[in-house]
Amino acid sequence: GENVEQHPSTLSVQEGDSAVIKCTYSDSASNYFPWYKQELGKRPQLIIDIRSNVGEKKDQRIAVTLNKTAKHFSLHITETQPEDSAVYFCAARGGSGGYQKVTFGTGTKLQVIP
Amino acid sequence: DGGITQSPKYLFRKEGQNVTLSCEQNLNHDAMYWYRQDPGQGLRLIYYSQIVNDFQKGDIAEGYSVSREKKESFPLTVTSAQKNPTAFYLCASSLGTGGEAFFGQGTRLTVV
Repeated sequence: GENVEQHPSTLSVQEGDSAVIKCTYSDSASNYFPWYKQELGKRPQLIIDIRSNVGEKKDQRIAVTLNKTAKHFSLHITETQPEDSAVYFCAARGGSGGYQKVTFGTGTKLQVIP
Repeated sequence: DGGITQSPKYLFRKEGQNVTLSCEQNLNHDAMYWYRQDPGQGLRLIYYSQIVNDFQKGDIAEGYSVSREKKESFPLTVTSAQKNPTAFYLCASSLGTGGEAFFGQGTRLTVV
């Protein structure tokens, strides 16, 4: 089955700096890669996603890049703010036989220091 | 709140007892999922269902059971066979298996 690895597990940055979180996946047939943000005590919420026919996607201060050949995808947050502090999860959709499921990475705890 | 509701928020269970966690959605989503969240281990898939009366095991299905008799409901039973059931359980739903997943607020289960 799909295996998603996420690094780093914790990340501290100064307010205004950029943050980068990296993920790798194992199933070359995976075609959908969402990123979720989970604030303390709250449910995960989708912040951005990318499909395999696209190499990069941007939404204001957040961008995601995908390298299908290397099976890497990354989340980039620019001009970080204290409210960006949360746990971020990457995920990949893969599967076979008509059953597709989303596999999550282990999460990155981002701390933005004011 | 995204239209997906989990109950209860906190649940305590004695060892050896089965317990059922509720998940209801009014989003008309076909697909529903149960995840377990432990510190440092991310979200691990327990079971998922793409359609009524059909469900598939995820990566850690042992000791758990589900049913999908109605589109809106996907209850999870944590059985006494689950060796380490204390965890935070998240239910999610999506329009299809590849679409955005909307999560419930979670149920924190503690075995006492």
